[in-house]
Amino acid sequence: QQQVKQSPQSLIVQKGGISIINCAYENTAFDYFPWYQQFPGKGPALLIAIRPDVSEKKEGRFTISFNKSAKQFSLHIMDSQPGDSATYFCAATLSNSGYALNFGKGTSLLVTP
Amino acid sequence: DVKVTQSSRYLVKRTGEKVFLECVQDMDHENMFWYRQDPGLGLRLIYFSYDVKMKEKGDIPEGYSVSREKKERFSLILESASTNQTSMYLCASRLVDTIYFGEGSWLTVV
Repeated sequence: QQQVKQSPQSLIVQKGGISIINCAYENTAFDYFPWYQQFPGKGPALLIAIRPDVSEKKEGRFTISFNKSAKQFSLHIMDSQPGDSATYFCAATLSNSGYALNFGKGTSLLVTP
Repeated sequence: DVKVTQSSRYLVKRTGEKVFLECVQDMDHENMFWYRQDPGLGLRLIYFSYDVKMKEKGDIPEGYSVSREKKERFSLILESASTNQTSMYLCASRLVDTIYFGEGSWLTVV
C-alpha cells in the first residue's frame, strides 16, 4: 500500500505566490524525509530534506514543515517563479534500511508569469 | 559531481524479448537502486543492492531481476518483456543520505 500520500496532484500558482505541497506518512519509524524536484526528461534531483528531530528547515525559497505527531510534512515554495515549474515528489525512508525511498505520487506545479 | 549514467535513454523492444538496462555510477557508492516511474503512480522501487552480489526486492520485483557483479554497475533485467512493463526506469545510487538519480531509460514494449 502507499506508504506516503501526497497532495495535490497538480497545482497552478501565479508568479510571486506561495506553492504548498503536502505529504502524510504511515510508518512512525521513518527518519528521513526528502523532497525531489524533477524537470521533464530528467531524473529527480534532491531539493531539500529533513529529519524528525526538527520541525522546520529552510533553504532559500524552499521550506519543509514537519509535524511528527500528525505524521505530516509539507513543502513551501516562497516567491514562486516560472522556473520552479516541475514535478515535486516527497519521500520517506528508514536510514537503517539503506535509504530505499518510499515516494509520494508527485505534484505537477505550474507557475504562471 | 556525482554521476549516475544510464546508457540507454530510449528503447523499443518486442514482447517476450530479454531486456538489459545498464546503470553505472562513478563515486564508489555502495547502495544502488532501480525505480520505475509511471504517470500518476510516482516512483516505485523494483530492486536495490547494498553491495556487490547483494540484492533486495523492492515493492514491485515481479518480472524483473538484477545483477551487480561490480560495485559501479547495477543492471536491471526483464527476462521476458511484456507490454505492461512499458515505463520509464530510473537508476539511483546513494552517498551518505542523498540518493542521486540517472536521467532515466524510456522503455516501450510492443
